[in-house]
Amino acid sequence: EPEVTQTPSHQVTQMGQEVILRCVPISNHLYFYWYRQILGQKVEFLVSFYNNEISEKSEIFDDQFSVERPDGSNFTLKIRSTKLEDSAMYFCASSESASDQPQHFGDGTRLSIL
Amino acid sequence: QKEVEQDPGPLSVPEGAIVSLNCTYSNSAFQYFMWYRQYSRKGPELLMYTYSSGNKEDGRFTAQVDKSSKYISLFIRDSQPSDSATYLCAMSAGNNDMRFGAGTRLTVKP
Repeated sequence: EPEVTQTPSHQVTQMGQEVILRCVPISNHLYFYWYRQILGQKVEFLVSFYNNEISEKSEIFDDQFSVERPDGSNFTLKIRSTKLEDSAMYFCASSESASDQPQHFGDGTRLSIL
Repeated sequence: QKEVEQDPGPLSVPEGAIVSLNCTYSNSAFQYFMWYRQYSRKGPELLMYTYSSGNKEDGRFTAQVDKSSKYISLFIRDSQPSDSATYLCAMSAGNNDMRFGAGTRLTVKP
């Protein structure tokens, strides 16, 4: 069964550094998403992306964050000037359509900011 | 009132029991309702996906949506130790912004 893959599985970074989290969505999917799950808390929506542009974003997704589809397969989340509170699991998801098809998730990247 | 409320448990049942998991919500615009299963250190895995009110069955799993009460349920029949996981309800208004419950941690004991 096709799946969403994320790399790396664990990223350790010094505070203030930039990180790029990578995702390969399911190949025929057109909508891509990033979510965050801080340890012990809910999964939180960050951003959705379609047709090479952001379609929705949450209040969490501020100027520190950016997303990009650099080629035909990858979807990336960049976090600039990382802070301790950015430590979390980051999940990528994809779906065939925006509403009437469900989102499928990768296994996440655990980001640890030191 | 929180937008999506879900009892975090933990919930422990013997093997073979029927498990009932529930969420309530406040946003009447939600139309799409999902249940995900999440094993430790893994991503959410889609179990059930329903649109609007009604029931949907898939093997041992049944999802129910009651939009009038803003209440959704997931039933697991003949529960197995392999069902031990955290179960997340999620819902959206069809605008990409999916909202999750806190997740219920389930343990099925052999």
